[in-house]
Amino acid sequence: QKEVEQDPGPLSVPEGAIVSLNCTYSNSAFQYFMWYRQYSRKGPELLMYTYSSGNKEDGRFTAQVDKSSKYISLFIRDSQPSDSATYLCAQRTLASGGYQKVTFGTGTKLQVIP
Amino acid sequence: DVKVTQSSRYLVKRTGEKVFLECVQDMDHENMFWYRQDPGLGLRLIYFSYDVKMKEKGDIPEGYSVSREKKERFSLILESASTNQTSMYLCASSLGDRAHEQYFGPGTRLTVT
Repeated sequence: QKEVEQDPGPLSVPEGAIVSLNCTYSNSAFQYFMWYRQYSRKGPELLMYTYSSGNKEDGRFTAQVDKSSKYISLFIRDSQPSDSATYLCAQRTLASGGYQKVTFGTGTKLQVIP
Repeated sequence: DVKVTQSSRYLVKRTGEKVFLECVQDMDHENMFWYRQDPGLGLRLIYFSYDVKMKEKGDIPEGYSVSREKKERFSLILESASTNQTSMYLCASSLGDRAHEQYFGPGTRLTVT
């Protein structure tokens, strides 16, 4: 079982729609969950992160963690064409030497149609 | 403006060549990471470093080595490039206790023929 699993999409929505992106994770021991956004031909950039469970909001973006179901979600309200990108969910874990590392999902490609 | 730079955007090498990919960050970050990104497989960690001259294997270290002689610079080395190492290579850095906040470079698209 992969540590972090994500539906690859692609997902295509009309401008203004609410977008829901989801991931599942397997290891409950680690509490940091992140969403990165990657535009075409660019490196990923951190969108937001949450610690433990609950919601975190930043403008049109809301990140949610449900520890009971091991679910990570990102909601985008009033989606814009500029939101078209690949979204990567991730979990901060530990490498075998005890140092922090990040495990990424495979990414969901989102297209917002004007 | 924080920055992670990678030495090349595109690179074409022949099978068996030794390949160096360079990454430089200007944020005085302790951690540096090398990933490869492939369709359907996502970002996979090759190696990382938490301090100068220190390195740790990631999830797919086979066929790669790394070097970190200075805090700002982290090199990925393909000792003998093979076609299955054709990929997008991404470098990232973070503060020591904040690996969840990684800053990525633009990537190097390596093609091995």
